[in-house]
Amino acid sequence: KQEVTQIPAALSVPEGENLVLNCSFTDSAIYNLQWFRQDPGKGLTSLLLIQSSQREQTSGRLNASLDKSSGRSTLYIAASQPGDSATYLCAVRPGTYKYIFGTGTRLKVLA
Amino acid sequence: KAGVTQTPRYLIKTRGQQVTLSCSPISGHRSVSWYQQTPGQGLQFLFEYFSETQRNKGNFPGRFSGRQFSNSRSEMNVSTLELGDSALYLCASSLDGAWGLFFGEGSRLTVL
Repeated sequence: KQEVTQIPAALSVPEGENLVLNCSFTDSAIYNLQWFRQDPGKGLTSLLLIQSSQREQTSGRLNASLDKSSGRSTLYIAASQPGDSATYLCAVRPGTYKYIFGTGTRLKVLA
Repeated sequence: KAGVTQTPRYLIKTRGQQVTLSCSPISGHRSVSWYQQTPGQGLQFLFEYFSETQRNKGNFPGRFSGRQFSNSRSEMNVSTLELGDSALYLCASSLDGAWGLFFGEGSRLTVL
C-alpha cells in the first residue's frame, strides 16, 4: 500500500533563506509526482509535476527533484519570501487514476 | 482559460440530510476527481470520472456517490449526513487523469 510522508510537518524560516521540503513514498512504482501549495481555507495550487521518467522540474524559484529508486522527492525554494507561507503538499500517482497525498509541510516565512 | 469551479463554496446541513456538490472542470479536461480534506485524515480520494464513467473509487461508504455528465461537469452526493462528513470537498480536473491535477477552491461542508 502506497504511503506518502512529508517531513517536517512545520517549518519557520527567515525571509531570504533557501529551503528544502521533503516527500517520501513507500512504493517506487509511480507514474508521476506533483507538488502543490495550499493557502488557508483555499484549494490546492499546482506547482510542479514530475513524470516518472524525469529527474527534476523547475519553475521560477522552485525546483523539484525525483528519485524513484529511493522513494524521495524534494522541493527546493530559493530566496524565500513571506508570500511563500502556505502548506505544501506532495502527491504521487500510483497508476490507478488517483493520487495519494502526503500530510503536508506548513511553511512560515518571517519578514 | 477558466479554472475549476465548485459550487456552493460553503454550506451548512444537519445530520440526516443530503447534499449535492457541483464541479465544472477546466475546458477540455475530461477527468474529474473528488477528494475529502479533514484536519485528521488529510486528503482522501473519493472517486474519479472520465467520460461519464467511474474509473476508480476510494474507501468511502455507499452514502458517497457521484456522477459525470456529457459536458464533463460532475456532481457528488452525500446522503444521510453524519457529523464526521464535515470537511472541505475538493474537485480536481485533469486532461485524462494522468497529466496532473488542477483543483477548485473547494466546498466547505459543515454538518450540525
